Amino acid sequence: NAGVTQTPKFQVLKTGQSMTLQCAQDMNHNSMYWYRQDPGMGLRLIYYSASEGTTDKGEVPNGYNVSRLNKREFSLRLESAAPSQTSVYFCASRRGGYTFGSGTRLTVV
Amino acid sequence: GIQVEQSPPDLILQEGANSTLRCNFSDSVNNLQWFHQNPWGQLINLFYIPSGTKQNGRLSATTVATERYSLLYISSSQTTDSGVYFCAANSNSGYALNFGKGTSLLVTP
Repeated sequence: NAGVTQTPKFQVLKTGQSMTLQCAQDMNHNSMYWYRQDPGMGLRLIYYSASEGTTDKGEVPNGYNVSRLNKREFSLRLESAAPSQTSVYFCASRRGGYTFGSGTRLTVV
Repeated sequence: GIQVEQSPPDLILQEGANSTLRCNFSDSVNNLQWFHQNPWGQLINLFYIPSGTKQNGRLSATTVATERYSLLYISSSQTTDSGVYFCAANSNSGYALNFGKGTSLLVTP
Protein backbone atom coordinates (compact mmCIF):
# COMPACT_ATOMS: atom_id res chain seq x y z
CA ASN A 1 0.00 0.00 0.00
CA ALA A 2 2.03 2.98 -1.30
CA GLY A 3 -0.28 5.83 -0.16
CA VAL A 4 0.77 9.04 -1.91
CA THR A 5 3.70 8.85 -4.34
CA GLN A 6 5.51 11.91 -5.65
CA THR A 7 8.11 12.14 -8.39
CA PRO A 8 10.79 13.35 -8.69
CA LYS A 9 12.25 13.59 -5.18
CA PHE A 10 14.82 16.21 -6.15
CA GLN A 11 15.10 18.64 -9.08
CA VAL A 12 17.28 21.56 -10.06
CA LEU A 13 15.96 23.94 -12.72
CA LYS A 14 17.33 27.00 -14.39
CA THR A 15 15.24 30.16 -14.33
CA GLY A 16 12.69 30.03 -17.14
CA GLN A 17 12.64 26.25 -17.50
CA SER A 18 9.42 24.30 -17.12
CA MET A 19 8.66 21.06 -15.34
CA THR A 20 5.81 18.94 -14.04
CA LEU A 21 5.66 17.38 -10.59
CA GLN A 22 3.75 14.13 -10.53
CA CYS A 23 1.54 12.82 -7.74
CA ALA A 24 -0.48 9.61 -7.50
CA GLN A 25 -2.52 8.07 -4.69
CA ASP A 26 -3.83 4.54 -4.39
CA MET A 27 -6.35 5.10 -1.58
CA ASN A 28 -9.33 5.98 -3.78
CA HIS A 29 -9.55 9.45 -2.22
CA ASN A 30 -11.60 12.11 -3.99
CA SER A 31 -9.67 15.15 -2.79
CA MET A 32 -6.05 15.93 -3.66
CA TYR A 33 -3.83 18.89 -2.82
CA TRP A 34 -0.52 20.56 -3.63
CA TYR A 35 1.34 22.43 -0.89
CA ARG A 36 4.68 24.18 -0.71
CA GLN A 37 6.90 24.50 2.34
CA ASP A 38 9.47 27.26 2.70
CA PRO A 39 12.20 27.31 5.36
CA GLY A 40 10.93 27.83 8.89
CA MET A 41 7.30 27.80 7.82
CA GLY A 42 4.34 25.52 7.75
CA LEU A 43 2.79 24.35 4.51
CA ARG A 44 0.81 26.66 2.23
CA LEU A 45 -1.83 25.46 -0.21
CA ILE A 46 -1.12 26.05 -3.92
CA TYR A 47 -4.03 24.26 -5.62
CA TYR A 48 -6.51 21.59 -4.74
CA SER A 49 -8.92 19.25 -6.46
CA ALA A 50 -12.06 18.36 -4.53
CA SER A 51 -12.95 15.63 -7.01
CA GLU A 52 -11.99 14.29 -10.41
CA GLY A 53 -12.53 16.98 -13.03
CA THR A 54 -12.36 19.98 -10.68
CA THR A 55 -9.46 22.18 -9.58
CA ASP A 56 -9.34 25.36 -7.51
CA LYS A 57 -6.75 27.89 -6.39
CA GLY A 58 -5.37 27.89 -2.92
CA GLU A 59 -3.41 30.52 -1.03
CA VAL A 60 -0.37 30.80 -3.36
CA PRO A 61 -1.37 29.75 -6.93
CA ASN A 62 0.60 32.30 -8.99
CA GLY A 63 3.14 30.71 -11.33
CA TYR A 64 1.58 27.23 -11.18
CA ASN A 65 -0.96 25.17 -13.07
CA VAL A 66 -2.50 21.83 -12.19
CA SER A 67 -4.18 18.91 -13.89
CA ARG A 68 -6.36 16.28 -12.28
CA LEU A 69 -5.68 13.58 -14.84
CA ASN A 70 -7.95 10.99 -13.23
CA LYS A 71 -8.98 10.05 -9.70
CA ARG A 72 -5.49 8.79 -8.85
CA GLU A 73 -3.26 11.48 -10.36
CA PHE A 74 -2.84 15.21 -9.73
CA SER A 75 0.08 17.01 -11.37
CA LEU A 76 1.61 20.43 -10.71
CA ARG A 77 3.27 22.36 -13.53
CA LEU A 78 5.72 25.24 -13.41
CA GLU A 79 5.63 26.88 -16.84
CA SER A 80 8.54 29.30 -16.33
CA ALA A 81 10.40 28.58 -13.11
CA ALA A 82 11.58 31.46 -10.92
CA PRO A 83 14.01 31.45 -7.96
CA SER A 84 11.05 32.32 -5.69
CA GLN A 85 9.65 28.88 -6.48
CA THR A 86 12.57 27.17 -4.78
CA SER A 87 10.79 25.15 -2.13
CA VAL A 88 9.74 21.71 -1.00
CA TYR A 89 6.50 20.60 -2.62
CA PHE A 90 4.10 18.16 -0.99
CA CYS A 91 1.15 16.40 -2.52
CA ALA A 92 -1.66 15.10 -0.31
CA SER A 93 -4.95 13.29 -0.57
CA ARG A 94 -7.80 13.26 1.87
CA ARG A 95 -10.64 11.24 3.24
CA GLY A 96 -11.17 12.55 6.74
CA GLY A 97 -7.51 13.10 7.58
CA TYR A 98 -4.81 14.04 5.09
CA THR A 99 -2.06 11.75 3.86
CA PHE A 100 1.06 13.42 2.50
CA GLY A 101 3.65 12.24 0.02
CA SER A 102 7.35 12.36 0.80
CA GLY A 103 7.92 15.66 -1.01
CA THR A 104 9.86 17.06 -3.96
CA ARG A 105 12.79 19.34 -3.18
CA LEU A 106 13.01 21.89 -6.02
CA THR A 107 15.80 24.39 -6.51
CA VAL A 108 15.58 27.09 -9.18
CA VAL A 109 18.90 28.76 -10.01
CA GLY B 1 -9.22 31.21 6.77
CA ILE B 2 -8.75 29.52 10.10
CA GLN B 3 -5.74 30.68 12.13
CA VAL B 4 -3.59 28.02 13.79
CA GLU B 5 -1.09 29.02 16.47
CA GLN B 6 1.39 26.68 18.11
CA SER B 7 3.46 27.00 21.24
CA PRO B 8 6.22 26.88 22.18
CA PRO B 9 8.09 27.59 18.94
CA ASP B 10 11.21 25.79 20.17
CA LEU B 11 11.80 23.17 22.83
CA ILE B 12 14.92 21.39 24.06
CA LEU B 13 14.51 18.31 26.24
CA GLN B 14 16.78 15.79 27.81
CA GLU B 15 16.05 12.20 26.86
CA GLY B 16 13.40 10.75 29.16
CA ALA B 17 11.61 14.03 29.85
CA ASN B 18 7.94 14.69 29.15
CA SER B 19 6.51 17.62 27.19
CA THR B 20 3.24 19.21 26.12
CA LEU B 21 2.77 21.06 22.84
CA ARG B 22 -0.20 23.34 22.39
CA CYS B 23 -2.26 24.30 19.34
CA ASN B 24 -4.91 27.04 19.37
CA PHE B 25 -7.27 27.50 16.44
CA SER B 26 -9.63 30.33 15.61
CA ASP B 27 -12.75 28.57 14.28
CA SER B 28 -14.80 25.40 14.53
CA VAL B 29 -13.00 22.51 12.90
CA ASN B 30 -13.97 19.34 11.09
CA ASN B 31 -10.38 18.15 10.93
CA LEU B 32 -7.39 18.58 13.17
CA GLN B 33 -4.17 16.68 12.72
CA TRP B 34 -0.77 16.54 14.38
CA PHE B 35 2.23 15.78 12.18
CA HIS B 36 5.87 15.08 12.88
CA GLN B 37 8.34 16.29 10.28
CA ASN B 38 11.50 14.31 10.71
CA PRO B 39 15.01 15.56 9.90
CA TRP B 40 14.66 14.05 6.39
CA GLY B 41 11.63 16.23 5.71
CA GLN B 42 8.97 13.54 5.77
CA LEU B 43 5.59 14.51 7.20
CA ILE B 44 4.33 11.72 9.41
CA ASN B 45 0.70 11.80 10.50
CA LEU B 46 0.55 11.31 14.27
CA PHE B 47 -3.10 11.89 15.05
CA TYR B 48 -6.33 12.73 13.29
CA ILE B 49 -8.18 14.26 16.21
CA PRO B 50 -10.93 16.84 15.56
CA SER B 51 -12.21 16.09 19.08
CA GLY B 52 -11.54 13.83 22.03
CA THR B 53 -8.43 12.00 23.18
CA LYS B 54 -6.23 9.43 21.48
CA GLN B 55 -3.09 7.60 22.48
CA ASN B 56 -0.40 5.88 20.46
CA GLY B 57 2.44 4.51 22.51
CA ARG B 58 4.33 7.35 24.19
CA LEU B 59 2.29 9.97 22.36
CA SER B 60 -1.19 11.15 23.13
CA ALA B 61 -3.36 14.03 21.99
CA THR B 62 -6.42 15.80 23.25
CA THR B 63 -8.63 18.25 21.35
CA VAL B 64 -11.20 20.37 23.17
CA ALA B 65 -13.15 21.63 20.20
CA THR B 66 -15.49 23.86 22.23
CA GLU B 67 -12.48 25.75 23.62
CA ARG B 68 -10.56 25.63 20.31
CA TYR B 69 -7.34 24.04 21.39
CA SER B 70 -5.45 20.80 21.07
CA LEU B 71 -2.56 19.36 23.08
CA LEU B 72 0.09 16.85 22.08
CA TYR B 73 1.80 14.99 24.91
CA ILE B 74 5.15 13.31 24.48
CA SER B 75 6.24 11.11 27.35
CA SER B 76 9.67 9.60 28.02
CA SER B 77 11.12 11.46 25.04
CA GLN B 78 13.76 9.84 22.84
CA THR B 79 16.30 11.39 20.48
CA THR B 80 14.27 10.05 17.55
CA ASP B 81 11.41 12.34 18.63
CA SER B 82 13.46 15.32 17.42
CA GLY B 83 12.04 17.30 14.53
CA VAL B 84 9.22 19.74 13.94
CA TYR B 85 5.70 19.08 15.16
CA PHE B 86 2.91 20.69 13.16
CA CYS B 87 -0.70 21.17 14.06
CA ALA B 88 -3.07 21.66 11.11
CA ALA B 89 -6.80 22.23 10.92
CA ASN B 90 -9.71 22.57 8.51
CA SER B 91 -12.54 24.88 9.52
CA ASN B 92 -16.11 23.74 8.96
CA SER B 93 -16.47 26.43 6.32
CA GLY B 94 -13.06 26.08 4.66
CA TYR B 95 -11.48 23.84 2.07
CA ALA B 96 -7.84 24.12 3.07
CA LEU B 97 -5.83 22.40 5.76
CA ASN B 98 -4.12 25.33 7.48
CA PHE B 99 -0.84 24.72 9.26
CA GLY B 100 0.66 26.34 12.28
CA LYS B 101 4.32 27.37 12.17
CA GLY B 102 5.36 24.33 14.15
CA THR B 103 7.24 23.49 17.33
CA SER B 104 10.86 22.58 16.76
CA LEU B 105 11.84 19.86 19.26
CA LEU B 106 15.38 18.76 20.03
CA VAL B 107 15.87 15.81 22.37
CA THR B 108 19.42 15.49 23.66
CA PRO B 109 21.04 12.29 25.00
